[in-house]
Parts: sequence; structure tokens; C-alpha cells
Amino acid sequence: QKEVEQDPGPLSVPEGAIVSLNCTYSNSAFQYFMWYRQYSRKGPELLMYTYSSGNKEDGRFTAQVDKSSKYISLFIRDSQPSDSATYLCAMMKPPSNTGKLIFGQGTTLQVKP
Amino acid sequence: DAMVIQNPRYQVTQFGKPVTLSCSQTLNHNVMYWYQQKSSQAPKLLFHYYDKDFNNEADTPDNFQSRRPNTSFCFLDIRSPGLGDAAMYLCATSRDRGPLEAFFGQGTRLTVV
Repeated sequence: QKEVEQDPGPLSVPEGAIVSLNCTYSNSAFQYFMWYRQYSRKGPELLMYTYSSGNKEDGRFTAQVDKSSKYISLFIRDSQPSDSATYLCAMMKPPSNTGKLIFGQGTTLQVKP
Repeated sequence: DAMVIQNPRYQVTQFGKPVTLSCSQTLNHNVMYWYQQKSSQAPKLLFHYYDKDFNNEADTPDNFQSRRPNTSFCFLDIRSPGLGDAAMYLCATSRDRGPLEAFFGQGTRLTVV
């Protein structure tokens, strides 16, 4: 069983739609939860990170963590064609001072004009 | 301005012929990471340097080696590339280990023929 599971998609939505991207994980010790965006032929870039359960909002993006369900989500409001990319969830494997990230395989999102 | 620079962007090598991938950073970060990302898969950590301290992942094949001659540069050496080593290789840096932002380079796409 993979430590982090992510539906690879692809996910295609019309411009302006609300997008929900999700990951599940198996290790209850994970503490830090991140979302990276990866454009085609580029390296991942960090969108947001959260610590433990709860919500965090940044502009059109909201990250949500439910540790009791081992489930994290990224919501994108008013999606734009420029949001078309692969979205990778990642988690910090304890001990957190190793810097080791465990990634999901990514969900490919296409936002159509 | 690019902060983590990987060269080359695309590398074609012959089966069994040693190849070296390069990463440089202008951030003066202590930690440098190498990830392998196969097509439609999650990036997988191969190893990382904390300053000069090398940390290998337990499941990283011996075929993969790394060198960090100074703070700015880190190299990934593949001693005898096999077809299964074809992938995107991502270099990342962070100021310190722990849940801090990791900056990724654009990656080197390796093809083995």
C-alpha cells in the first residue's frame, strides 16, 4: 500500500468551476501537509502547506486537513486556464527534521476556457 | 531569476554508459535533495545532503551516487544507467531540514537508449 494515494485524473473542468483535489494517507504520524503545483516540463512549486488538522486559505486556494480521516484536500475557486497543471500533495515524514517529503502521484487538472 | 538550476534539461545516454546530472543553487541553502520522478508517478527521494553530510535513502539503488563539492553545486551520478532509470530527475534545496519550503529546479529528463 502506498503511503500517499492521489487520484491521477485527468480532471477537466470549465473556467470558473470550483475544483476539489484530494489525497489520502496511511501514516497517522504525518504532521505537515503540502500542495505543490507542477507545470508541464517544470519542477514542482509550493502552493501551500498546513500543519495538523484545519483549513488554510490563500486567495483562490484553500487547503484542508482532516487527520482523523487521514484525508487532505485542495480547493480552487474560480478556476482559470492558468491553473491547468499537475497538483501534487506531499507530506513530511517524521521525524520532521529530515526534510523528507512523501508525494502523491499528482492529479492532472485542465481548466477549459 | 532561476534559483535552482539543473543542467542539462534533457539528457540522452546509452544503456550502461555513466552519466552525470548537475544542480546549482543561488540560495545558499544548506540542504540539497535529489528526487526521481518517473512518468505519471510521484517524485521519490533518492538522497539528500545536509551541508556536507550525505543521507542516502534505504531503497536507493547503489547505481546512484551523489557529490556535493561545495554549497552551490550537487551532482547525481548514475554509474550504469538501465532502461528503468529513464525519468525526470529533480533537484531541490531548502534552507534547513524540516517543514520549510523546498525550491525545485526544472528537472533533467533522462532518456536511456
